[in-house]
Amino acid sequence: QQQVKQSPQSLIVQKGGISIINCAYENTAFDYFPWYQQFPGKGPALLIAIRPDVSEKKEGRFTISFNKSAKQFSLHIMDSQPGDSATYFCAASYDNNNDMRFGAGTRLTVKP
Amino acid sequence: DTAVSQTPKYLVTQMGNDKSIKCEQNLGHDTMYWYKQDSKKFLKIMFSYNNKELIINETVPNRFSPKSPDKAHLNLHINSLELGDSAVYFCASSQDLAATGELFFGEGSRLTVL
Repeated sequence: QQQVKQSPQSLIVQKGGISIINCAYENTAFDYFPWYQQFPGKGPALLIAIRPDVSEKKEGRFTISFNKSAKQFSLHIMDSQPGDSATYFCAASYDNNNDMRFGAGTRLTVKP
Repeated sequence: DTAVSQTPKYLVTQMGNDKSIKCEQNLGHDTMYWYKQDSKKFLKIMFSYNNKELIINETVPNRFSPKSPDKAHLNLHINSLELGDSAVYFCASSQDLAATGELFFGEGSRLTVL
């Protein structure tokens, strides 16, 4: 059973546009929500992460929005660039647990 | 100075064979993992070791056996390979995942079973 559900499966955005990827989780014990970015032929790498005590976190063009009551969080990429083209994974884990659960991934393509 | 390194990067083999993938991390982390990424890019945890002790063992066939000779190494041995084992296997490490949430992944080992 997938504990973190991610959508869409794929996303095509024009350069300069906003990319939005959504995730929903079921386990209310989750308290750490990272996003990982994976380029072809490489392993995933941490992009940005949030804890549920805040509703938003911004790092450069990347923003996580978090809605604890709805058990949802999303990644927004502002001014999307072709170099952002990659697969993005949301994930969740809970305190004192070394078990990170990943969403199914979103393949983002940013067209020039 | 690669942080998490896996070998081999590519592995092509016949059904029924036994193969191993090696992983080493030079980050000084206490916990290491194996993840499987299937053709649809889905990442699923297989095993987790903390200081050479198995702490997560997801439901994987017992043909898969992890071995951790020390906390910097976690190898994956697969017996009697099947077509469905074809995937990319990622090794990862972390230090206090609950605090940092950061997994450091290797570049993956693509296994193709013919």
